[in-house]
Formats: sequence, structure tokens, C-alpha cells
Amino acid sequence: AQSVTQLDSQVPVFEEAPVELRCNYSSSVSVYLFWYVQYPNQGLQLLLKYLSGSTLVKGINGFEAEFNKSQTSFHLRKPSVHISDTAEYFCAVSAPGTDKLIFGTGTRLQVFP
Amino acid sequence: DTAVSQTPKYLVTQMGNDKSIKCEQNLGHDTMYWYKQDSKKFLKIMFSYNNKELIINETVPNRFSPKSPDKAHLNLHINSLELGDSAVYFCASSQNPSARETQYFGPGTRLLVL
Repeated sequence: AQSVTQLDSQVPVFEEAPVELRCNYSSSVSVYLFWYVQYPNQGLQLLLKYLSGSTLVKGINGFEAEFNKSQTSFHLRKPSVHISDTAEYFCAVSAPGTDKLIFGTGTRLQVFP
Repeated sequence: DTAVSQTPKYLVTQMGNDKSIKCEQNLGHDTMYWYKQDSKKFLKIMFSYNNKELIINETVPNRFSPKSPDKAHLNLHINSLELGDSAVYFCASSQNPSARETQYFGPGTRLLVL
């Protein structure tokens, strides 16, 4: 079975500052990794995903994430955040042979002016 | 154009009632899902259907019954609503039931059971 841990429930940051949202996973098999964003009162939207190949994945809105197999991590980063990045961010994992996405508990990114 | 739509957006009802939530996707996808997001924002899969056939049922109470009349629709019927059913329910779809596929989510249905 797979699991996802997002250690930070909230991350406050000032506009134009860099940010990192942490995600660690647990699995006995190879996995696929995803970051989804949920803006207030909306559904989830895919930011980026890692399937295979290059461990640095670039997504939409200037976000990127790095897959680190030895540390079982998939941290999300953005060099300079904007007020509009304020949202809930979910890390998720799935395993080959199943279409079940396992989500972390989410990290609320709050960007202040 | 809305890719995954849900109705209603809000649903307030009394305990014991029966209610349905509808979901439609116009992406031509084969696979559809229902997720429940609780008050702490925790998101968990309930069901998934591929080509109208149930493929995942995550030990959800029998009071919840999904129905897929065709590939583009997956409705969720809930009998005898309980207080603990209050949550946001998200429908999602993907091209096929592969772990690699991106899932596209609807805007959610906010259910409040009084």
C-alpha cells in the first residue's frame, strides 16, 4: 500500500518570495507522483506529475518538483510566488496496475502582500 | 466549456433523506470517479467506473450507490443521509484507468446534512 505525508499543514509566505511545499511518500513498489492545486471553492487541478525519466518536473504557473527516490520525496517549489498562488496544494501517489490516487492531507499556501 | 460538471453545487438536507448528485464529463474519457473531501480537506476515493463498470469500491457504506448510465455520466445516490455524510463530493474523470493518467476534477458538491 502507498501513503503520502505532507508535513506542513500551512505555509505562510510573502509575495515574490520562494516557497517549498514538502511531500514524502511510502511505497514498496515504484510509484507515480502528482501535485494538484485547489483554489478556494473549486475542484482540483493538476500542477505537474512525475512518471519516469528526469527527476525534475516542470509544471504550470511556474511550479516545479523534484523526485528524490532515496529520500522518497517529491517537494514542490516556486522561486517567486504571487498572491494568486494562495490555495490548497495536494501531493498524491499512484502505483502501476491501479488507478487509485492516494492523497496527502494538503498544505495551505497563504501568500501575503 | 466545462470539462467535468456536477449538480447541484450546494445541497442542504435533513438526516434520513435520500439525495442524488449528478456528474457529467465532456472529455470523452472512459473512467470516472467519486471522491469525498472531509472538513479537514482530506480527500479519499470512493468509487471508480470504467466504461460503465465498477472497478473500485473503497468500503463505502451501502447507503452510497453510484450509477453510470453511460460513459459520460456517473451519478451518486445516497440513502438515509447521516450527519457524517456532510462533506464536499468531487467527481473526476481520466482517459483510462491507468495510474499514469491525469484525473480531471469537477467543482465539487457541498453537502450539509442537518
